[in-house]
Amino acid sequence: EIVLTQSPGTLSLSPGERATLSCRASQSVSSSYLAWYQQKPGQAPRLLIYGASSRATGIPDRFSGSGSGTDFTLTISRLEPEDFAVYYCQQYGSSRNTFGGGTKVEIK
Amino acid sequence: EVQLVESGGGLVQPGRSLRLSCAASGFTFDDYAMHWVRQAPGKGLEWVSGISWNSGSIGYADSVKGRFTISRDNAKNSLYLQMNSLRAEDTALYYCAKGSDMIVVVNYFDYWGQGTLVTVSS
Repeated sequence: EIVLTQSPGTLSLSPGERATLSCRASQSVSSSYLAWYQQKPGQAPRLLIYGASSRATGIPDRFSGSGSGTDFTLTISRLEPEDFAVYYCQQYGSSRNTFGGGTKVEIK
Repeated sequence: EVQLVESGGGLVQPGRSLRLSCAASGFTFDDYAMHWVRQAPGKGLEWVSGISWNSGSIGYADSVKGRFTISRDNAKNSLYLQMNSLRAEDTALYYCAKGSDMIVVVNYFDYWGQGTLVTVSS
């Protein structure tokens, strides 16, 4: 099973700043089958990025994904107030789907 | 508009059973794999189980294998999760999620329901 480790656990930033979230896999993720989700309190997760870098329908272009192999990054270019949330990565390149533990992006 | 509505959660004693349901609408149900993902209170996401469009391919997390059974009824646009021998550690919000692919059960999840809460306690 591929283990995903997200860092940092919490990111304290101000609106307008750039956020960089990391997701590291215990082994190479096949074909960059890596997705990112956003979850706000009391809500279901929402798909942001799939295939490591493709934005899902309706996702603003301030969200971007990059990486391959074992190292992946989600970047939010300029934080909007609605972007403060928990973010999860997920790999779907092996025999089991697995999620990372999450990164909370909080207002500084 | 894609809608996934879960039901069947509740309070159950350890060792007992529960069956969750998910009613799907707004897309061609039998064109996609479907999944259950859970989230324990205050914790992260855990994939539980997935099923391909025709039930030909099924997968489970090790934590539920042998106790949970996923199934679907394409005529009713519905997904199910039969949960037996429940444990305290199964306490979680259970989400129904639409998979990105038809055949394989390793997918990303492009639509999610709002979840149904399962509490296992005596």
